[in-house]
Amino acid sequence: KAGVTQTPRYLIKTRGQQVTLSCSPISGHRSVSWYQQTPGQGLQFLFEYFSETQRNKGNFPGRFSGRQFSNSRSEMNVSTLELGDSALYLCASSPALTGGPAEGKKLFFGSGTQLSVL
Amino acid sequence: GESVGLHLPTLSVQEGDNSIINCAYSNSASDYFIWYKQESGKGPQFIIDIRSNMDKRQGQRVTVLLNKTVKHLSLQIAATQPGDSAVYFCAENIGPGGSYIPTFGRGTSLIVHP
Repeated sequence: KAGVTQTPRYLIKTRGQQVTLSCSPISGHRSVSWYQQTPGQGLQFLFEYFSETQRNKGNFPGRFSGRQFSNSRSEMNVSTLELGDSALYLCASSPALTGGPAEGKKLFFGSGTQLSVL
Repeated sequence: GESVGLHLPTLSVQEGDNSIINCAYSNSASDYFIWYKQESGKGPQFIIDIRSNMDKRQGQRVTVLLNKTVKHLSLQIAATQPGDSAVYFCAENIGPGGSYIPTFGRGTSLIVHP
């Protein structure tokens, strides 16, 4: 089975621009979640999508948004970029079946998109 | 071990030694725990998991210990190798019907010297 694929791998943007990141989950996984990782703050949860619906949301401003398509692929968008948005953005997929075994919550991460805002 | 501070805790060991990485979790309702390993330039990868009805689980060269009384997890790596150098995160999860979003610890950097 192919792993979680994230594109692009690296991205350089300037303040005020917007950016779209893409994630293809493991085949059969219906849950996709996004995390921001910085040296100072560690892994911060952004949001989770399941069957095209946002199921959970972290504590990030509205400039951060996402969506999931019918094939479970997901995109996240950051508008009006700020210097502090520079980070590694990680996507993770999970079987995450409601009421299913705990092991369904195991996350499978992609390699991330390294975003630099200048 | 894990820390809520800004600095990443670091554990330095010699190749061949045993390593112990500690994690204090926050929610007494958490019933499923996972250790992830993140190598430089990669996303976190699953290492081993444990349910709250167990206090020990062994994998290949790794053992996870769970002490629910003091809300503490540890990851033991036997005969540590240079390839084990990475950042290790613990994650806690709430049971079925609860959020599927794990809470991650801050991470511990393991450095293995040849």
